[in-house]
Amino acid sequence: SAVISQKPSRDICQRGTSLTIQCQVDSQVTMMFWYRQQPGQSLTLIATANQGSEATYESGFVIDKFPISRPNLTFSTLTVSNMSPEDSSIYLCSVGTGKGYTFGSGTRLTVV
Amino acid sequence: GENVEQHPSTLSVQEGDSAVIKCTYSDSASNYFPWYKQELGKGPQLIIDIRSNVGEKKDQRIAVTLNKTAKHFSLHITETQPEDSAVYFCAARDGNQFYFGTGTSLTVIP
Repeated sequence: SAVISQKPSRDICQRGTSLTIQCQVDSQVTMMFWYRQQPGQSLTLIATANQGSEATYESGFVIDKFPISRPNLTFSTLTVSNMSPEDSSIYLCSVGTGKGYTFGSGTRLTVV
Repeated sequence: GENVEQHPSTLSVQEGDSAVIKCTYSDSASNYFPWYKQELGKGPQLIIDIRSNVGEKKDQRIAVTLNKTAKHFSLHITETQPEDSAVYFCAARDGNQFYFGTGTSLTVIP
């Protein structure tokens, strides 16, 4: 299966600032996804990162708050903008291959 | 859309015993059902999956069963070991989107 490198693994940020999370895959993949996992909760899909076009956002998530880039088939970024304490979560990227769906190790974000 | 329910939310078993986690789904169009294990501080790892044209799949101590008619699938872990302690998530895929269960925190007591 694909190997995903996600950075940073954790960060503590001031409210009102932005954080960009990077996801690098060791092979070209068509499907890349960004998830949020709030403390003790399940995974919620934020958006699908499409190469060469705008990301597709799920209900409750908007591009202004969570801008996504997908410049090529091995890389994507998620930015959490104008952060508030409610954005404290684990953010995960995921990719789909012919052998299933793989997750990165996650970015644990704390907003103070 | 799809709705996935998972039970139990917590499960404690003695080392060597079996553990069973159950999930139900609502959309008969869902055709792929993976199970993920998430250890503390890590991302979910795929441990086993099953497609809708198969009723059962086994990989060493782990097995998954699927009942399409009843729309439920289960994870079975036999001869549990302390390293099996983690949070387990089921999921159902409808199209390209996954819907996750709420997770089961499994504790294996030595």
